[in-house]
Amino acid sequence: NAGVTQTPKFQVLKTGQSMTLQCAQDMNHEYMSWYRQDPGMGLRLIHYSVGAGITDQGEVPNGYNVSRSTTEDFPLRLLSAAPSQTSVYFCATKGGVHQPQHFGDGTRLSIL
Amino acid sequence: KQEVTQIPAALSVPEGENLVLNCSFTDSAIYNLQWFRQDPGKGLTSLLLIQSSQREQTSGRLNASLDKSSGRSTLYIAASQPGDSATYLCAVDRGSTLGRLYFGRGTQLTVWP
Repeated sequence: NAGVTQTPKFQVLKTGQSMTLQCAQDMNHEYMSWYRQDPGMGLRLIHYSVGAGITDQGEVPNGYNVSRSTTEDFPLRLLSAAPSQTSVYFCATKGGVHQPQHFGDGTRLSIL
Repeated sequence: KQEVTQIPAALSVPEGENLVLNCSFTDSAIYNLQWFRQDPGKGLTSLLLIQSSQREQTSGRLNASLDKSSGRSTLYIAASQPGDSATYLCAVDRGSTLGRLYFGRGTQLTVWP
């Protein structure tokens, strides 16, 4: 049982490039979300989804795009990478209102 | 806006001590409070989840309590070990935005032999 799988684990981009961070889960959870973690800022919510075909913005959505075509996958797209997007990105899932959230191992992204 | 504060920011103790980590939140309208552990360079591991109707949860040497009315939670670690060294994060969710977590900045714990 893999749980929440994030790829890649590490990535270096140049300013202006685009890329997609992948998140896949095998727990059949409806709720999925993306957070970024920055020193001194804690974890902040970027986008989330309560089910296939439904997405919404979190606290820091600018510069990111998401879609949810299946229950299993929730990719995060950086449209035009900026140095301010250098961060560690975590994907999380949740099975129900009073269930714990499960996190992936993260993607460490550097924008030069 | 929900604000979550964790005190202390860092803690260094000898092995064997009993520890208390504190978490406070400003809006008591929460559904759940969750404690996580994060090792350097790793993801978040869920330790305990306390529902808003519960007062405490226990798992092994860990005990977490919740006082929703006062906006406080404590994580008690009994007989600490060097393997407990990590950053401990507290997070609450309000349910109105299903599952959105509001995180504290964590307590960095070092347990030395």
